[in-house]
Amino acid sequence: DVKVTQSSRYLVKRTGEKVFLECVQDMDHENMFWYRQDPGLGLRLIYFSYDVKMKEKGDIPEGYSVSREKKERFSLILESASTNQTSMYLCASRTPQGGNQPQHFGDGTRLSIL
Amino acid sequence: SQQGEEDPQALSIQEGENATMNCSYKTSINNLQWYRQNSGRGLVHLILIRSNEREKHSGRLRVTLDTSKKSSSLLITASRAADTASYFCATDASNQGGKLIFGQGTELSVKP
Repeated sequence: DVKVTQSSRYLVKRTGEKVFLECVQDMDHENMFWYRQDPGLGLRLIYFSYDVKMKEKGDIPEGYSVSREKKERFSLILESASTNQTSMYLCASRTPQGGNQPQHFGDGTRLSIL
Repeated sequence: SQQGEEDPQALSIQEGENATMNCSYKTSINNLQWYRQNSGRGLVHLILIRSNEREKHSGRLRVTLDTSKKSSSLLITASRAADTASYFCATDASNQGGKLIFGQGTELSVKP
């Protein structure tokens, strides 16, 4: 079974802090994704990565950056946290091999910015 | 941008009844996927249906896809209290390179 592990289930930070959310997958998947989930807005894609050192902006990249130095790890960075970044953050991974593959999700990090 | 629209937004049924959730989308797709999310947890993949398939089954789940109407439905038969969760459809569009676009989900409550 694919295991996607997010480093924290709950995190509380202060406005202006630099925040790192870590995600690790154990299936050698090339593709990794970061979403945020808010009530009434569903899941929205922040950034994704097709492979190591590659990154692409999703639908809502403003205020975020990412790092993919190793294949198994995809980090989401809030450069200067703001209260409107309080949300549930979900990481996912996927292999493109064979096409038509699902994404595998971690358990999420509920981030509160005070 | 969200291209999936789910209907209904919330559904409450008794154990043993069937639950049907619908999803509509706007662009052409490679496949459509259904996911389940228990409260406060991540999403779990349930079933994937390719654009050239019309129906797919997995246990108590039945998914249909109508590409002419750009719609899909998820049927859960003989529902159980443990099926209580949010259910999301997600489309893998032909030009999106594996990116998924999620609907806003249907919140299913199954009462014992």
